Amino acid sequence: DGGITQSPKYLFRKEGQNVTLSCEQNLNHDAMYWYRQDPGQGLRLIYYSQIVNDFQKGDIAEGYSVSREKKESFPLTVTSAQKNPTAFYLCASSIRGDTEAFFGQGTRLTVV
Amino acid sequence: DQQVKQNSPSLSVQEGRISILNCDYTNSMFDYFLWYKKYPAEGPTFLISISSIKDKNEDGRFTVFLNKSAKHLSLHIVPSQPGDSAVYFCAASGRSGGYQKVTFGTGTKLQVIP
Repeated sequence: DGGITQSPKYLFRKEGQNVTLSCEQNLNHDAMYWYRQDPGQGLRLIYYSQIVNDFQKGDIAEGYSVSREKKESFPLTVTSAQKNPTAFYLCASSIRGDTEAFFGQGTRLTVV
Repeated sequence: DQQVKQNSPSLSVQEGRISILNCDYTNSMFDYFLWYKKYPAEGPTFLISISSIKDKNEDGRFTVFLNKSAKHLSLHIVPSQPGDSAVYFCAASGRSGGYQKVTFGTGTKLQVIP
C-alpha cells in the first residue's frame, strides 16, 4: 500500500532537548512538506522540499531543521531553540508543488 | 499576514441541507485552490480542487466555486450528512521565490446535525 508514514504518533521530550520526527513516503512524490497545527491557527508551513537535496523555509522555520537526502524521507528536527514546540506536526507529500497533497497521520509532540 | 482566511470558525447545518464553507485570499498569484477535510488527531485528506482558469468544479455532493475578482472561493456540500462533520481547510497554491508554495486557512469546523 502506498502512503505517507509519520512516527511516532505521540512523543514526549524534556525542555532543552532536540527531537527528530520521522516522515517516510512510498508514493514516489517529489515534493514534501512539514506543517504545524495549533488550536485556531490552521496549518502553518515549517519547511518544504520540492526535490532531493533541496528545501526551503516556510512561514515558521525558526527553531526547526530538515534534511532531504532521499526522495522518500523528510525528517524534521525540533531544536531547543524552538520556543513553543508543543504542537501537532503534520508531514505531507505531493507529486509537484501545485497538486493535492497526501498527509500523514501526524505526530503530537509534548515538551515538558 | 494571513493570506488565506476562513472567517467562520464553525458552522452547524441540519442533515440533508446545504453546507456552504467560505474562504477568502489576498494574494493574486495563487493559481490553484484546494479543500481538505480533517478529523481530530488525523492528517487532512484531500477533498476537491479548482484551477484559477475555472470558476466551478463539481465532484458528487461537493462543489467548489471560485470568484477571482472577489478573491473568494466556497465549498458547497449538498446534501449534508452527519459523516461530513469535520474541520475543513481551504488551501491556495502559488509561486513564491521560484517554488510552488501552499498556504492553508485556519479551518472551519462543520457540524451536521442528524
